[in-house]
Amino acid sequence: DAKTTQPTSMDCAEGRAANLPCNHSTISGNEYVYWYRQIHSQGPQYIIHGLKNNETNEMASLIITEDRKSSTLILPHATLRDTAVYYCIVKSNSGYALNFGKGTSLLVTP
Amino acid sequence: NAGVMQNPRHLVRRRGQEARLRCSPMKGHSHVYWYRQLPEEGLKFMVYLQKENIIDESGMPKERFSAEFPKEGPSILRIQQVVRGDSAAYFCASSPIEDSTDTQYFGPGTRLTVL
Repeated sequence: DAKTTQPTSMDCAEGRAANLPCNHSTISGNEYVYWYRQIHSQGPQYIIHGLKNNETNEMASLIITEDRKSSTLILPHATLRDTAVYYCIVKSNSGYALNFGKGTSLLVTP
Repeated sequence: NAGVMQNPRHLVRRRGQEARLRCSPMKGHSHVYWYRQLPEEGLKFMVYLQKENIIDESGMPKERFSAEFPKEGPSILRIQQVVRGDSAAYFCASSPIEDSTDTQYFGPGTRLTVL
C-alpha cells in the first residue's frame, strides 16, 4: 500500500472549517483513501473514504485531487469534540491491514 | 445496531500469566482484525480472521500470541506468559462480508497492563 504524509499537528478555531491535508504521491489505481480519527486513546473511528471522486457524509468531506496524489479532509464546522489524531490511510481492496502511521494531531480551540 | 464490543476494557496481569481478550464483531460482520497500540505509538496490524479461519497473521509475534474466531462466540486474542512489553491497548475491528471496500469499524479496545 502507498505511503502517506501528513502534518504532525494543526490548530483550528471552534466553528471554523478544519482542512487536513494528506500526500499519497505513490498511490495506485486500485487503492482507496481512508480517514480515521482517534480521540484520546479511544478506538479509531471511521470517518470517510474515497477512490477518485469527492465524497461527503454527515461527518466530513473528502476532496481528492485529479491526479490522486493528495487529498484533504474537511470538517466543515469544527467543535471541541473534534480534537483528535486524524489518520489518512491508503489501502487496496485486496489488502487487509490499515497502516495508521503517525497522523495529524488536530487541536480545536475555543 | 450495536458496535464492536470488546471485553474486558482493562486487564491487569502479572508476568508469566495468560491474557485472554475478547471481541464480538458488529451484527452481520464476519471479518475480524486485531491491532496493537503500544504507548505513544500508532496502531499496528496483528491478525485478520474470518469465521474458523486465520487469513493473515503476518503482524503477530511468532511466540506466545494466538488468535481464533470460532463458529460460535467471540474472537479471542490469547497471550501466554505475558511480559511487560505486552502492555498496550489492543483493538479489534470488524467488517461486513458484503462491503467490497472492507471498511473496518473498531471497538473501544482492551488496555492490558503487565505488572
